[in-house]
Amino acid sequence: GAGVSQTPSNKVTEKGKYVELRCDPISGHTALYWYRQSLGQGPEFLIYFQGTGAADDSGLPNDRFFAVRPEGSVSTLKIQRTERGDSAVYLCASSSAGGLATGELFFGEGSRLTVL
Amino acid sequence: ELKVEQNPLFLSMQEGKNYTIYCNYSTTSDRLYWYRQDPGKSLESLFVLLSNGAVKQEGRLMASLDTKARLSTLHITAAVHDLSATYFCAVTNTDKLIFGTGTRLQVFP
Repeated sequence: GAGVSQTPSNKVTEKGKYVELRCDPISGHTALYWYRQSLGQGPEFLIYFQGTGAADDSGLPNDRFFAVRPEGSVSTLKIQRTERGDSAVYLCASSSAGGLATGELFFGEGSRLTVL
Repeated sequence: ELKVEQNPLFLSMQEGKNYTIYCNYSTTSDRLYWYRQDPGKSLESLFVLLSNGAVKQEGRLMASLDTKARLSTLHITAAVHDLSATYFCAVTNTDKLIFGTGTRLQVFP
């Protein structure tokens, strides 16, 4: 596609529920990133994929958070047993093959998650 | 741990005035980015600064990088209302970007 696409754009859920957020990167981009942005804050790194594998998952806050990218394109961020503190905008970004070494990140519009 | 700090956090300025936003980072980094974010929108890349002394300009915005001081500046010249947004600097750390807290800019007539 022309840009990074994220769905849903808005998700409201109840505490304790399971949530999946989807990211469709720019066609041909092998690097994919997930960030979380809380209100009034800068984006916070969660996880980075190069192809199908997670190259760096050091930003995942705990084991309730998990992300996959089984075919090296679309990625899904999964959050189990959601808590109110998980409420944020989840941003996805993609980059060409060289990643940040040669290019830049292109961000999607984000998925706004609200946990009641 | 790499830390990125911006100041000011909030800036209200009159149209036509000049001002500078500062971005400090705590450890050596390969490159520095500036992004713009409008309310409810995603991040738009403004500048990528690759080396010490790099300076880039686009319209009323000019960014510079001093890697020895670990400092980048975003200078606004003759501000206009359309520049109202939140501006983030971000620094590379291995293969990821670490963002600053952002500077919310409001330009009024």
